Formats: sequence, C-alpha cells, structure tokens
Amino acid sequence: GAVVSQHPSRVICKSGTSVKIECRSLDFQATTMFWYRQFPKKSLMLMATSNEGSKATYEQGVEKDKFLINHASLTLSTLTVTSAHPEDSSFYICSARSTPQTDTQYFGPGTRLTVL
Amino acid sequence: SQQGEEDPQALSIQEGENATMNCSYKTSINNLQWYRQNSGRGLVHLILIRSNEREKHSGRLRVTLDTSKKSSSLLITASRAADTASYFCATEPMNRDDKIIFGKGTRLHILP
Repeated sequence: GAVVSQHPSRVICKSGTSVKIECRSLDFQATTMFWYRQFPKKSLMLMATSNEGSKATYEQGVEKDKFLINHASLTLSTLTVTSAHPEDSSFYICSARSTPQTDTQYFGPGTRLTVL
Repeated sequence: SQQGEEDPQALSIQEGENATMNCSYKTSINNLQWYRQNSGRGLVHLILIRSNEREKHSGRLRVTLDTSKKSSSLLITASRAADTASYFCATEPMNRDDKIIFGKGTRLHILP
C-alpha cells in the first residue's frame, strides 16, 4: 500500500514555543490530507482537511490560528501548533488520499507532542 | 464528531479463539473501514466495505455490513497474540467531502 511518513515522530517542547509537524506521501500524490488528534486510549478526532493549493477546512471547535496547516505541494502538508501549551500535548496523526475518488486513506505513523 | 460506536470497548480472549467487534453508526455512508492501531503507533488499514456490499473477507478477517441496521462487525478468526491492538471502525458519510469519522474503538487483548 501507499506510504505516508510523519516527522518528527516525537517532540518535547517548552510552553509557548511553536512546533511544526510534517506529513509526506512518499509514493503517491495526495490531493487531500487530513490531520487528526488522539488522546490516550481515545479515538481519533478529525481536526482539519488540507487541500493542496487552498486553505484548510477546520472542524468545529478547532482553532485555525492555533493549528496552522499548509499544504504547499501534492506530497507535503504541515501542521504548526503555535504557542503550544501543556493541553496541546497529544498524538497527532495525518492521513492522505491520492485522489478524491480513492476510498482508502493512508495514515502516517503519528507524532507524539509533549509540551512542558 | 464521533459517528461510529464500537462494542465492546474492551475484549480479552484466549489465543486461538475468535474475536468479534461491532460498530454502529448514525448517518448514511459511502463506505466503512476497519483499522488496527498498536499502542502508540499509527493506523493500519485492514479492510474497506462499500455500502452496496454485505460481506468481505481478507485472510483471517471477515467484515459484514448491514446498512438497514447501520452496523458492521469485524471477526478475527483463530486469534494470535500479535492481534492485540485497538480496532477502530471509520465511516465515510455521504456528502462529507471525503472525510472519514472514527468510532471510539475496541481494545482487544489476546491472552497467551
């Protein structure tokens, strides 16, 4: 199957700093990427949909100024957690879809963010 | 928002037994997918079943879909220790712009 990578896999930062997480589709072009957040022993919550070349669409309750998403190319989307606070600590997972007609989403391995 | 509700939330069975997990959802869907997640890891896509399909098989996995009851089941036969993981159903609602919505998951533990 298609491969999606995330970088970094784990990051620890001080409160108030910004953290950028990259999501890359390695062997296919992803017109749409999705960003999820997962708390321990909980399910994945969709944060936003990222479309190449256009603004991201955020789910209700997700602060777009807090979680900046950029999908500058067909293989890369970035999520920047701005002015991170301890409550932003979570597991962030991206997924990618090769075309709108493709049913399957391919998930990255996730990024564990810990804000001290 | 959550669409799928899996049950049970947690399941422990002996190695070799079959494991059945259920998922219910609320709105009409294009398809339903099952994923596995090992602790602290990303998701592995297991199987996708479309709304016009009723049953699919993949190795030791069998998935059923009943759109009239808005429910699906995942059966893992002859379970192995390596099957220990969390299992999530995810639905693609109609008219949701390609988004998929995850259920709360079932934590499966295979006892040696």
